[in-house]
Amino acid sequence: RKEVEQDPGPFNVPEGATVAFNCTYSNSASQSFFWYRQDCRKEPKLLMSVYSSGNEDGRFTAQLNRASQYISLLIRDSKLSDSATYLCVANTGNQFYFGTGTSLTVIP
Amino acid sequence: DTEVTQTPKHLVMGMTNKKSLKCEQHMGHRAMYWYKQKAKKPPELMFVYSYEKLSINESVPSRFSPECPNSSLLNLHLHALQPEDSALYLCASSPPSFYEQYFGPGTRLTVT
Repeated sequence: RKEVEQDPGPFNVPEGATVAFNCTYSNSASQSFFWYRQDCRKEPKLLMSVYSSGNEDGRFTAQLNRASQYISLLIRDSKLSDSATYLCVANTGNQFYFGTGTSLTVIP
Repeated sequence: DTEVTQTPKHLVMGMTNKKSLKCEQHMGHRAMYWYKQKAKKPPELMFVYSYEKLSINESVPSRFSPECPNSSLLNLHLHALQPEDSALYLCASSPPSFYEQYFGPGTRLTVT
């Protein structure tokens, strides 16, 4: 079983839509969680960190449910510039476990 | 400043060449990482240095040899690579333990 599982998509949504990604993790000892966005042929860039129940930053909201071992990312009012691959990451000690990434395309 | 720098940006090397990738951070982070990423796949962990000591080696072939000369620098020495080693090589750093990682822009490596 993979440490972190994500729906690879692709998600194709119109501008202005709200889109949610879910991610599950298998190790209950995971301490912290992150969402990264990665544009084609670029490095992953940190989008949000989630240490407790959730985090909100503008149009982006991340939620953590430790009981069910999942993390979600909600993007409101999608922009064309949100098109990217979104990577879910769980941290256990010095190890970071990546999901396979979810591809998002926002359509005009 | 959350910058991690990597050089070179691009590298083409033959299977008999020896080359090195370099990574630098000045954030005072004490953990540094090498990842390999193939197209449409997530980054794959290769090595972790914690307080300048190699703490994780994910069964990487010996043709990849990491080095951490000091707390700001991380090198990856390459020797006798195979064409399947062509990939984006990413360096990252984080404060100790469970804080977020910051990635460098990567070195796109092509082995001919």
